[in-house]
Amino acid sequence: SQTIHQWPATLVQPVGSPLSLECTVEGTSNPNLYWYRQAAGRGLQLLFYSVGIGQISSEVPQNLSASRPQDRQFILSSKKLLLSDSGFYLCAWSVISTYEQYFGPGTRLTVT
Amino acid sequence: AQSVAQPEDQVNVAEGNPLTVKCTYSVSGNPYLFWYVQYPNRGLQFLLKYITGDNLVKGSYGFEAEFNKSQTSFHLKKPSALVSDSALYFCAVRDTNAGKSTFGDGTTLTVKP
Repeated sequence: SQTIHQWPATLVQPVGSPLSLECTVEGTSNPNLYWYRQAAGRGLQLLFYSVGIGQISSEVPQNLSASRPQDRQFILSSKKLLLSDSGFYLCAWSVISTYEQYFGPGTRLTVT
Repeated sequence: AQSVAQPEDQVNVAEGNPLTVKCTYSVSGNPYLFWYVQYPNRGLQFLLKYITGDNLVKGSYGFEAEFNKSQTSFHLKKPSALVSDSALYFCAVRDTNAGKSTFGDGTTLTVKP
């Protein structure tokens, strides 16, 4: 069966520090991968999605970036965090044949 | 362009009563429609989807949803609510030609004993 891992679960970082969040998927090949941010327990904002290694689509201009160095690994990064980067970050995967997305457990990021 | 609307921020029902969480959508092509549920401090869980075929689709935990093309709606329903159904529910739509889904803002369902 397929599983998706995200780490860390929680993170507290000072303004101006770098960020690296990692997401890995097991049990499937060539998934579509997504990074979302959820603010205040409400709507989801799609940040990046990827249909293959090295292929990244950015949805919202910001100081975040994403990379996909391996088929089932998706990394969200920042060189310098802002207070507004605080939120709940969710990684998800899907396959073309079924379209629904499966979400990881999320990372709670607090920028202080 | 694709969009989805969940007109109710909050839905309150009594345990044992039927529940409905509303969703309307807009796409330029044919829609793929989804419902997800989120419990506090957790990731979203997939409940059910409509791709093609029967307008009434059944999913996990006794939930079902009805696709209505003329009203561009995909309301989530359950005949008898449980307290454990209390959570945040998201509707999502994906145009057949799009590479990604668009999510609604979510509806908080509270089921009271």
